[in-house]
Amino acid sequence: DARVTQTPRHKVTEMGQEVTMRCQPILGHNTVFWYRQTMMQGLELLAYFRNRAPLDDSGMPKDRFSAEMPDATLATLKIQPSEPRDSAVYFCASGLGQVSYNEQFFGPGTRLTVL
Amino acid sequence: KQEVTQIPAALSVPEGENLVLNCSFTDSAIYNLQWFRQDPGKGLTSLLLIQSSQREQTSGRLNASLDKSSGRSTLYIAASQPGDSATYLCAVSIVGSQGNLIFGKGTKLSVKP
Repeated sequence: DARVTQTPRHKVTEMGQEVTMRCQPILGHNTVFWYRQTMMQGLELLAYFRNRAPLDDSGMPKDRFSAEMPDATLATLKIQPSEPRDSAVYFCASGLGQVSYNEQFFGPGTRLTVL
Repeated sequence: KQEVTQIPAALSVPEGENLVLNCSFTDSAIYNLQWFRQDPGKGLTSLLLIQSSQREQTSGRLNASLDKSSGRSTLYIAASQPGDSATYLCAVSIVGSQGNLIFGKGTKLSVKP
């Protein structure tokens, strides 16, 4: 049963702390996307990778957010230092193939609360 | 800038009704349009993907149509069931991007027994 997995599922932390979220894309998928969902803004793209190379991270606050793919089976999203406005659900999605035919499959999300 | 709008924001219907959810987008230069389902506290489940060259896709009781020139898509659910209650999101992948999706805010559907 091929699925995108994300850890942790829930994270509560205090303002100023570092937060690291992890994603395991579906084996063989070559694109990975990070999205953030809030009540006010809905789902917004933060960053995405193709073949482990970052293609665009313009949706991320560069001073505090960073995204990496250390290898093909792991993507990470890090926030340092975290702020209360970062509280949201963070989703990872993966896909396979060409840009124009790229169906995306989502993980269950990491619900982050920054106090 | 591409904007995706879903109307209505919420919909309540009795079990057994056929219903239509609407999605509109401002820029017709899209690769594809995808419909998702999201249950409370859960991730997104892909329902249907329509390529820009296609007019519709069907899966079971679901049928999605795409009119790219007018910037519209509809998701038709036949014989609705209480288990269909969820938030339905549409998203487009725009030409010139790397396949990232632009999402609507969703329609929250409640099917009452």
